[in-house]
Amino acid sequence: EAQVTQNPRYLITVTGKKLTVTCSQNMNHEYMSWYRQDPGLGLRQIYYSMNVEVTDKGDVPEGYKVSRKEKRNFPLILESPSPNQTSLYFCASRGTGENQPQHFGDGTRLSIL
Amino acid sequence: GNSVTQMEGPVTLSEEAFLTINCTYTATGYPSLFWYVQYPGEGLQLLLKATKADDKGSNKGFEATYRKETTSFHLEKGSVQVSDSAVYFCALRLNTGFQKLVFGTGTRLLVSP
Repeated sequence: EAQVTQNPRYLITVTGKKLTVTCSQNMNHEYMSWYRQDPGLGLRQIYYSMNVEVTDKGDVPEGYKVSRKEKRNFPLILESPSPNQTSLYFCASRGTGENQPQHFGDGTRLSIL
Repeated sequence: GNSVTQMEGPVTLSEEAFLTINCTYTATGYPSLFWYVQYPGEGLQLLLKATKADDKGSNKGFEATYRKETTSFHLEKGSVQVSDSAVYFCALRLNTGFQKLVFGTGTRLLVSP
């Protein structure tokens, strides 16, 4: 089954404690993205990647890092989380062909105290 | 810039009522347009799409027509069900480079029996 898998699904942590949210897809997709979803703001892109070792900033990259060492994985790293990063996070992947659909993970709800 | 504007929710309807959720967009060039649906606790699923002017996307009884002259992509359904209760996101995708998705803020639909 085609899937984008995120872990953890829920996390409560404290300010400054480094955390990583993993994302893995089994569709051999080149394109992957991270979004955050906040009330009244919809989904905003944090970072994206067009292939292995190719990443770039989205609209709200401050406070986040990503890496793309393998095609299937695209972890999101919060080196020093702060309360304003409390949000619902989604990973997504897509193939490169025209009009390829975006596949989303089920989301990770992060609470930074 | 590129943006999507959706009507504010929640939209509250009785079962079998007619649904319209308005969506307008601003974009450079000729974007593709999408409606995504998010059920509670889940990620986003593609509901329907349209890739050029006058295209009509349809799925599960929902329809939306790409109107270039009014820059709109309103979502409609003739008879909603309780199971349609969810958050609906309108989005555009630029057809250059990474082909980033730009989302609206989402509209919550609540359907009562």
